[in-house]
Amino acid sequence: SAVISQKPSRDICQRGTSLTIQCQVDSQVTMMFWYRQQPGQSLTLIATANQGSEATYESGFVIDKFPISRPNLTFSTLTVSNMSPEDSSIYLCSVGGIRVGAKNIQYFGAGTRLSVL
Amino acid sequence: DQQVKQNSPSLSVQEGRISILNCDYTNSMFDYFLWYKKYPAEGPTFLISISSIKDKNEDGRFTVFLNKSAKHLSLHIVPSQPGDSAVYFCAATTSGSARQLTFGSGTQLTVLP
Repeated sequence: SAVISQKPSRDICQRGTSLTIQCQVDSQVTMMFWYRQQPGQSLTLIATANQGSEATYESGFVIDKFPISRPNLTFSTLTVSNMSPEDSSIYLCSVGGIRVGAKNIQYFGAGTRLSVL
Repeated sequence: DQQVKQNSPSLSVQEGRISILNCDYTNSMFDYFLWYKKYPAEGPTFLISISSIKDKNEDGRFTVFLNKSAKHLSLHIVPSQPGDSAVYFCAATTSGSARQLTFGSGTQLTVLP
């Protein structure tokens, strides 16, 4: 398995500011992802963080709002820019493509609980 | 359009009995399915998975059943324990690659002592 450390675990931010969330993995991984879980909702994929190139965003998510960095195979950041109360969510980092026997598993960090006032 | 649906937002079960959590999907391209468990203030934890070439996979107290014709899967927990109380998410992906998981909305399981 992979050990994923995500910081901060929670934050309360003012409207219009930005927050950068860090994700550190204890081993080199090919695939890293960022998800959002809005209150009472499921997990929604924001983007795939690509090492050395621009992230691949899902429909409805754009780089200006959610810039992502991935400088190496163990680290990634997600920035939530120009925040509004609608951005209040749990943001989760995950790593994928890890084989355990015949299984191909995606592991998650503990998440960052963001509240925007 | 929700491609993975968990129609029961909550389920309560007595300790020692069977818990059955259900999940339906619409995308026939999905060929690999996973169940995750999530406790408050923690990230989802992988529980069990199944490939579309199988119709059943068992791991200890947890069994996942897949009915491809009905596009339905279920997670059985026997016997249920109070520590199983959590939100359970069904997820699906294509090509068995564990990329881009599509999640259901989750079912809150409460196991009563």
